Amino acid sequence: QKEVEQDPGPLSVPEGAIVSLNCTYSNSAFQYFMWYRQYSRKGPELLMYTYSSGNKEDGRFTAQVDKSSKYISLFIRDSQPSDSATYLCAMRDYKLSFGAGTTVTVRA
Amino acid sequence: GAGVSQTPSNKVTEKGKYVELRCDPISGHTALYWYRQSLGQGPEFLIYFQGTGAADDSGLPNDRFFAVRPEGSVSTLKIQRTERGDSAVYLCASSYGATDTQYFGPGTRLTVL
Repeated sequence: QKEVEQDPGPLSVPEGAIVSLNCTYSNSAFQYFMWYRQYSRKGPELLMYTYSSGNKEDGRFTAQVDKSSKYISLFIRDSQPSDSATYLCAMRDYKLSFGAGTTVTVRA
Repeated sequence: GAGVSQTPSNKVTEKGKYVELRCDPISGHTALYWYRQSLGQGPEFLIYFQGTGAADDSGLPNDRFFAVRPEGSVSTLKIQRTERGDSAVYLCASSYGATDTQYFGPGTRLTVL
């Protein structure tokens, strides 16, 4: 079993829809939780960063962490075609452990 | 300022050959990481440098893989006797310290024929 599980999708939604992404993990020592966005043939770029449990909002993006369930989520509101990318959850002690990534397509 | 840069962007080699992949981190970042990303997968940790020393090389798959960072800045990942299974995108990331945000380079796409 992988340390971080993420449904690879793909996920296709119409423009303006809410995109819901999630990951589960097994290592209870993880304290830092991140979402990275990766465009084709590019390196991952940090989108959201959360320490421990709770919610964090940044514009159209909301990240949630539930450590008791070992479950993290990312919500994208009012999705745009420019949001089409692969979204990777990641968590760490110091090195990052990534999920497989979910490929999202937002249709205009 | 400049981000993390990696060269070459693409490398095609033949099975059994030796390759070197270079990473130039963000200036002032003391921590440097190498990850490997296979098609359809998330990046997997290979090795972590704090300064010049490899603080954790537990992700290196076998002794054909080796990395150095002699002056605490640029790092080189070296792969001997390449195998087709080594084909992947090799990503480098750097951060100020071990608990700070990691910034990724664009990666080197390695293809072993």
